[in-house]
Amino acid sequence: NAGVTQTPKFRVLKTGQSMTLLCAQDMNHEYMYWYRQDPGMGLRLIHYSVGEGTTAKGEVPDGYNVSRLKKQNFLLGLESAAPSQTSVYFCASSCPQRELCNEQFFGPGTRLTVL
Amino acid sequence: SQKIEQNSEALNIQEGKTATLTCNYTNYSPAYLQWYRQDPGRGPVFLLLIRENEKEKRKERLKVTFDTTLKQSLFHITASQPADSATYLCALDPHGPDSWGKLQFGAGTQVVVTP
Repeated sequence: NAGVTQTPKFRVLKTGQSMTLLCAQDMNHEYMYWYRQDPGMGLRLIHYSVGEGTTAKGEVPDGYNVSRLKKQNFLLGLESAAPSQTSVYFCASSCPQRELCNEQFFGPGTRLTVL
Repeated sequence: SQKIEQNSEALNIQEGKTATLTCNYTNYSPAYLQWYRQDPGRGPVFLLLIRENEKEKRKERLKVTFDTTLKQSLFHITASQPADSATYLCALDPHGPDSWGKLQFGAGTQVVVTP
């Protein structure tokens, strides 16, 4: 099993450009998450999904959109990139049974630079 | 406001010694607390979970304590090895059905184990 995969690994954008980050998981997890990680700060939740076709806002959703059309995929979109969105983005997944599986499985990350 | 604090300074320790990391939180009543390991350029990897009604949890050379009165968790690496060098993150799962899976992460503490 590949676990959680993310594409691309690196990307450089100019201000105002758009892009989509793709996350895929092969563990049949219901829950998926997008985080950003900035130096000196903890991982911050951008958006999350509790199942196919559902999405919800996290702590820092502004400037991002998401879609979960298939259970195994969770897409993060930046419609008009800003330098403040320069960060490392991590996708994660987990199963919904609280007492059985609490851990989150993370992907390798996407390093995004917005010039 | 809610806050999770981990030592921002790197912990430098000699091989064979015990490394002790601290995670303090305010204005949370977490159902449980998790610890993750993160290596440079990689996503976090789950290590241990401790619930609010548990005082201590062990896994191989790792030990976690949880004091809900002090609002603190301690993470110990005994008989440390250079391979333990990484950044360690604590994460809280707040109470409540709507908060499930929405972990709050600390910024992490870097551990450097020298031979």
